[in-house]
Amino acid sequence: GENVEQHPSTLSVQEGDSAVIKCTYSDSASNYFPWYKQELGKGPQLIIDIRSNVGEKKDQRIAVTLNKTAKHFSLHITETQPEDSAVYFCAASSDSGYALNFGKGTSLLVTP
Amino acid sequence: DSGVTQTPKHLITATGQRVTLRCSPRSGDLSVYWYQQSLDQGLQFLIQYYNGEERAKGNILERFSAQQFPDLHSELNLSSLELGDSALYFCASSPGLNTGELFFGEGSRLTVL
Repeated sequence: GENVEQHPSTLSVQEGDSAVIKCTYSDSASNYFPWYKQELGKGPQLIIDIRSNVGEKKDQRIAVTLNKTAKHFSLHITETQPEDSAVYFCAASSDSGYALNFGKGTSLLVTP
Repeated sequence: DSGVTQTPKHLITATGQRVTLRCSPRSGDLSVYWYQQSLDQGLQFLIQYYNGEERAKGNILERFSAQQFPDLHSELNLSSLELGDSALYFCASSPGLNTGELFFGEGSRLTVL
């Protein structure tokens, strides 16, 4: 099955700086790569996703890049704000129908 | 609010016992997924149901079972509980069978003493 590795496990940045979280996956058949944000006491919530026919996708301060050859994808958050502090999970799956396999998460702390 | 409802929110029980966690998916969603979240393992996929039928199985122990009922709600049964089963159990739903956004509930926190 799919194996998703995520780094770093913790990340601390100052408000206004950028944050980058990286993930690698093992199954070349994977073609869907979402990122979820989990705030304390809540369930994960989708913040952005990318499919394998696209190399980069942006949504305001958030962007995701995908390198299918290297089997890695990254989340970039620019101009970080304290409310960005949360645990971020990457995931991968394919249209063959198996469910999302998540990385172990990155705890992001944005300090004022 | 994701529209996914999980009960109970918290549950404390003893080793060897059996518990049932319940999930009501978003209105209209046919797929239900169960995930286990522990501190050192992140989000582990357990099982997926689609319109009442099991579709995919992950790292689900034999002591655990699940089902999806005709009204599309789902239950996760955990038996012969061990200390290591203490975790947050999330249910998620999605409209269809294939990839796309999952909508997560707020989880059921199980503590086994």
